[in-house]
Amino acid sequence: AQTVTQSQPEMSVQEAETVTLSCTYDTSENNYYLFWYKQPPSRQMILVIRQEAYKQQNATENRFSVNFQKAAKSFSLKISDSQLGDTAMYFCAFVPEGETSGSRLTFGEGTQLTVNP
Amino acid sequence: DSGVTQTPKHLITATGQRVTLRCSPRSGDLSVYWYQQSLDQGLQFLIQYYNGEERAKGNILERFSAQQFPDLHSELNLSSLELGDSALYFCASSPSAGVTEKLFFGSGTQLSVL
Repeated sequence: AQTVTQSQPEMSVQEAETVTLSCTYDTSENNYYLFWYKQPPSRQMILVIRQEAYKQQNATENRFSVNFQKAAKSFSLKISDSQLGDTAMYFCAFVPEGETSGSRLTFGEGTQLTVNP
Repeated sequence: DSGVTQTPKHLITATGQRVTLRCSPRSGDLSVYWYQQSLDQGLQFLIQYYNGEERAKGNILERFSAQQFPDLHSELNLSSLELGDSALYFCASSPSAGVTEKLFFGSGTQLSVL
């Protein structure tokens, strides 16, 4: 079974600054995908970024980038130039590539990020 | 707007009752996923349907059932409700059955069991 751990329940950052959210996972799979989803106060889950484990290069999406360390099973999210609209709960998620029964997205506990003006 | 529609947005009911949650996936998406988000359990995968057929089952209780209809909308039926079933229930959709695809989530149905 896979587990995803986010050790920071809450974080805050000043507008325009950079913040890094941590995520570690445990798996025996070799091929898998990692995701960061955000859940703003509207409750809707929105994909922020996706990383394939077989790719060495870290994924980036505008102000969002990841630091993927496969050997350490670490997948942190860096948000640059933080904006008030980035205030949300952020979830790290994992899914193995193979279609094992029940092996769908496994989410971490979430990190509540608050961007202060 | 993700294009996934869930109704109702809020539902208040009593223990022992039965409710039905409805989900319309994005146009063209064949897979529908149901997730439960609660304070103590976090976000948990319940079940996936692909083109009308059950594809994968996660931590779904026997009191819960789901189906996907020919028009691809899905319903999650929760029966013999208990206080602990109070949660936010999400539906998500994706174009195919691939587990690594991006999921598009609805806004959820907040269920309160009193």
